Amino acid sequence: NAGVTQTPKFQVLKTGQSMTLQCAQDMNHEYMSWYRQDPGMGLRLIHYSVGAGITDQGEVPNGYNVSRSTTEDFPLRLLSAAPSQTSVYFCASSYEGLAGGPAAGELFFGEGSRLTVL
Amino acid sequence: DQQVKQNSPSLSVQEGRISILNCDYTNSMFDYFLWYKKYPAEGPTFLISISSIKDKNEDGRFTVFLNKSAKHLSLHIVPSQPGDSAVYFCAATDAGGTSYGKLTFGQGTILTVHP
Repeated sequence: NAGVTQTPKFQVLKTGQSMTLQCAQDMNHEYMSWYRQDPGMGLRLIHYSVGAGITDQGEVPNGYNVSRSTTEDFPLRLLSAAPSQTSVYFCASSYEGLAGGPAAGELFFGEGSRLTVL
Repeated sequence: DQQVKQNSPSLSVQEGRISILNCDYTNSMFDYFLWYKKYPAEGPTFLISISSIKDKNEDGRFTVFLNKSAKHLSLHIVPSQPGDSAVYFCAATDAGGTSYGKLTFGQGTILTVHP
């Protein structure tokens, strides 16, 4: 089972460059989200989507764009990379579980994309 | 403002003993809590969860306790095994367990279990 697939796994950018981190899931999950992990900060939500065509901002959305044209794909675009965006990025998918039921709210994460901005 | 806090950056325990990882939260609207485990170069994986209507949930060697009045939860691992060595993240949501993909995470605690 592929689960959640992220590409690329590693990327080095120069300040001002743009790029797209790809994320695809094959579990037919309704919800997808992007997080960044920084030392001492845990994981912070960048953007999320509750279905195709519907996206919303998370805690740290500035400098990032997302779109969700299909259930399977949720790309994250860096418009003009800055050194502060050096981080490890995780894409996740989840489904609507019964409230309080087993594994409700569980996120399935990809392996991560390590981005360095010089 | 960190709404979910894990104040211990690291924890070291002996194999076979109990590991206790702690988590505090400030948002009283949180009603569902989860623990994730993360190995290096991998994504986090779900470990165990608890609804705010309960105060304890067990799954094998893992037990999560919730004290709503203190806004505190803890993860107990008994007995600890070297394979449990990883980073553990506490997370919370206010969406009644559905989460919609939105979780608020703590900073993480690095657990090392020595043989």
